[in-house]
Amino acid sequence: EPEVTQTPSHQVTQMGQEVILRCVPISNHLYFYWYRQILGQKVEFLVSFYNNEISEKSEIFDDQFSVERPDGSNFTLKIRSTKLEDSAMYFCASLLNRGNEQYFGPGTRLTVT
Amino acid sequence: SQKIEQNSEALNIQEGKTATLTCNYTNYSPAYLQWYRQDPGRGPVFLLLIRENEKEKRKERLKVTFDTTLKQSLFHITASQPADSATYLCALPRASGTYKYIFGTGTRLKVLA
Repeated sequence: EPEVTQTPSHQVTQMGQEVILRCVPISNHLYFYWYRQILGQKVEFLVSFYNNEISEKSEIFDDQFSVERPDGSNFTLKIRSTKLEDSAMYFCASLLNRGNEQYFGPGTRLTVT
Repeated sequence: SQKIEQNSEALNIQEGKTATLTCNYTNYSPAYLQWYRQDPGRGPVFLLLIRENEKEKRKERLKVTFDTTLKQSLFHITASQPADSATYLCALPRASGTYKYIFGTGTRLKVLA
């Protein structure tokens, strides 16, 4: 069964460094999302992406964040200058159509020290 | 803005019994609502989606109801098994016409053998 994959599974970085989190969505899906989940808290929407552009973004998704689909298969989330409070699990999700079920990846645990 | 309330206390039930989890939302009634399962350290896994014109939806031992008058969805697991132990999340669009999803904090279910 097709699945969403994410790499790396765990990333440790120093405050102020840039990180890139990678996702490979399900191949025929058209809509892509990034979420984050701080330990013990809710899953929070960050951004949605369709047709090579951002569809919607949350208040969390400020200028430090960017997303890209560089090669038609990977979907990346970049954090330019990480802060301690960026430490969280980051999940990628893909959907065939909006309003359908979301397929989540296993997540990347980002630890900022 | 839209908020979701799920019972944050853990629910412990005996194997074989029916587990019932509640998702209450405020403000506008969404066109659909989703339920996910999340295991510790893993990404959410889609279970069921119910639309506003559907009162009830079933999938194997799972049943979801959607009451737009009460602004509530109930999620039932019949003949529960220890393997059903997990956190169950409710998710819906943040506002009408948007595909930004908000998630509840989830209810942790523990099925006792």
